[in-house]
Amino acid sequence: NAGVTQTPKFRILKIGQSMTLQCTQDMNHNYMYWYRQDPGMGLKLIYYSVGAGITDKGEVPNGYNVSRSTTEDFPLRLELAAPSQTSVYFCASSYGGRSTEAFFGQGTRLTVV
Amino acid sequence: ILNVEQSPQSLHVQEGDSTNFTCSFPSSNFYALHWYRWETAKSPEALFVMTLNGDEKKKGRISATLNTKEGYSYLYIKGSQPEDSATYLCAPGQNFVFGPGTRLSVLP
Repeated sequence: NAGVTQTPKFRILKIGQSMTLQCTQDMNHNYMYWYRQDPGMGLKLIYYSVGAGITDKGEVPNGYNVSRSTTEDFPLRLELAAPSQTSVYFCASSYGGRSTEAFFGQGTRLTVV
Repeated sequence: ILNVEQSPQSLHVQEGDSTNFTCSFPSSNFYALHWYRWETAKSPEALFVMTLNGDEKKKGRISATLNTKEGYSYLYIKGSQPEDSATYLCAPGQNFVFGPGTRLSVLP
């Protein structure tokens, strides 16, 4: 059981480049989330999805886009990378419901130079 | 998006000390409260989920309480050990929006 898998683990981008961070889960979870780790600020929610075809903005959505065409996959797209997007990105998933926990992937470390 | 506060921001304790942190959140329309432990260079891991006012949860030396009427939860660590060093995050609400965390360092 792989859980939540993120690829790539590391990436260096040049300013203005675009890329997609991949996230897939094999737990048949309805809810999926993208976070970024800001130094001293903990985890900030970028986007989330409550099911295939449904996405919504979190706390810091600017500069990012998401899609959810299947239950398993929730890719995060950076269109025009900026140095401010240098961060560690975490994907998570949960069943939804009051007592369910979220499971996190191992993170993608992105550096924009 | 919920306004979630955690205090203190950081904490240094000696091995063997007991400690506690606070998570504060709006008391209206309470849904659930999650506590997570996040070690450096790792992914956050769930500690507790609490849904009812007065809930108390315990896992080994770590326990948590919940007061939904006044909008706070306490996390307690008894007899802190160096391996307890981590950032402790809380997330009230439905969509896992986390507070800023309390960073605990346990000195041997």
